Parts: sequence; C-alpha cells; structure tokens
Amino acid sequence: EVRLVQSAAEVKKPGESLRISCKASGYSFTYYYIAWVRHMPGKGLECMGIIYPDDSDTRYSPSFQGQVTISADKSLSTAYLQWNSLRASDTAMYYCARVRALDGIDYWGQGTLVTVSS
Amino acid sequence: EIVMTQSPATLSVSPGDGATLSCRASQTIRNNLAWYQQRPGQAPRLLIYGATTRAIGIPARFSGSGSGTEFTLTISSLQSEDFAVYYCQQYSDWLPLTFGGGTKVEIK
Repeated sequence: EVRLVQSAAEVKKPGESLRISCKASGYSFTYYYIAWVRHMPGKGLECMGIIYPDDSDTRYSPSFQGQVTISADKSLSTAYLQWNSLRASDTAMYYCARVRALDGIDYWGQGTLVTVSS
Repeated sequence: EIVMTQSPATLSVSPGDGATLSCRASQTIRNNLAWYQQRPGQAPRLLIYGATTRAIGIPARFSGSGSGTEFTLTISSLQSEDFAVYYCQQYSDWLPLTFGGGTKVEIK
C-alpha cells in the first residue's frame, strides 16, 4: 500500500526556520517524483515544486523559487520542504504528493498545517 | 504557465441528482488532466486521470470527458459523501503543475 506520512502540525513565529517532512512507503521512493502543494485558507491548490529523489533533480514553480527549499533523502525515503525565514503569509496546509510521469499526482500525504503568528 | 479555470464556483445539487463540472485550460493539454475530490478536513483524492480514466476504487458514477482545452467531470446520482470540493489539474506542463480554482458541490 502506497503511503505518504507527513510530519505534525507546526506553530512558528515570523522569521523562524522550519522543515517539514513526508515519509514514503509501499513503493520505490527513488523512481517517482514528489510534489509539494500549498493550500491556503479559502484558496485553491498550488504546486510549489517537484523533486526526483533518485538524483534530487528539483524544479520550483516560479512563484515559489527562492522562497522554499525542497530536498529528499533516498536512504530515509523522505522528502522535505524547508523555509529559512517564515512569514505570516506562509500560514497554510502543505501536502506532499506522488507524481507519476504520465498520469500526474496519484497519492497524497495527509497534510501538515503550518501556522505562522507572532 | 497553463491557467486552469473551473466553473461554476459553487453547484447546489439535491441528493440523487446529477452534476456536471467544467474545467478549461488556457492552452491545449491534450488529455493530461486529472480530477480530485477534497472533503472537509481531508487531503485531495484522485478520481480521474488521463481526462477519462477512473482511478482504482472510484465508483462508476464518476466520469470524465474532454480533450484539448475543455473538460467535464460528471457525477450521476450524487450520494451524501460526494458533497465536496472538486479540482481539476493539468500535467501537460510540469513547470508548474497547475490546478483549477475548484468547484464546491453543496447540498441544495
């Protein structure tokens, strides 16, 4: 069974750093892209970027380039999303998702709620 | 960036009735389109990929059609668990993968 299990909810202050995680199981982690998707309150879904764990090739959506860092550790079958300096506007639910080369996103993590407030 | 536009934003439907949701792409995406259902407090769930193929475990009352720039998700005979938000997503251009703004299907 394919599973993507994300780290727990976080409450942070503006300016703080954060890394959230997404642990994959039930398939060969190395050979499927992982996408990170932001869901802000009352808004639609936005793909932040994708990573191919085998070689860590990472592509960022233009809106998120330079704002976050996506990485992966093959040995742990885990992908990460990192911020160096959070802002209140980063408050959102963040999902990781598995991407099939020909068929798009098929499995989603349960989501990690990030709240940034002073 | 390929812009995905969904209509209507909200659809009020009585249980047992059918519903038709639309999705338009700003340029051709061939059949590289998926539909997702998101219930409150849950992650999205894949319903349809390749514009017309139901994902594993998805009931036959969900069907997808279209190609190029115009797509439709049809739900026949809505059940209580079908009242949710539905998103379309294109994967023709991965940079970035883009979603429609969503259609909320609510109980009439």
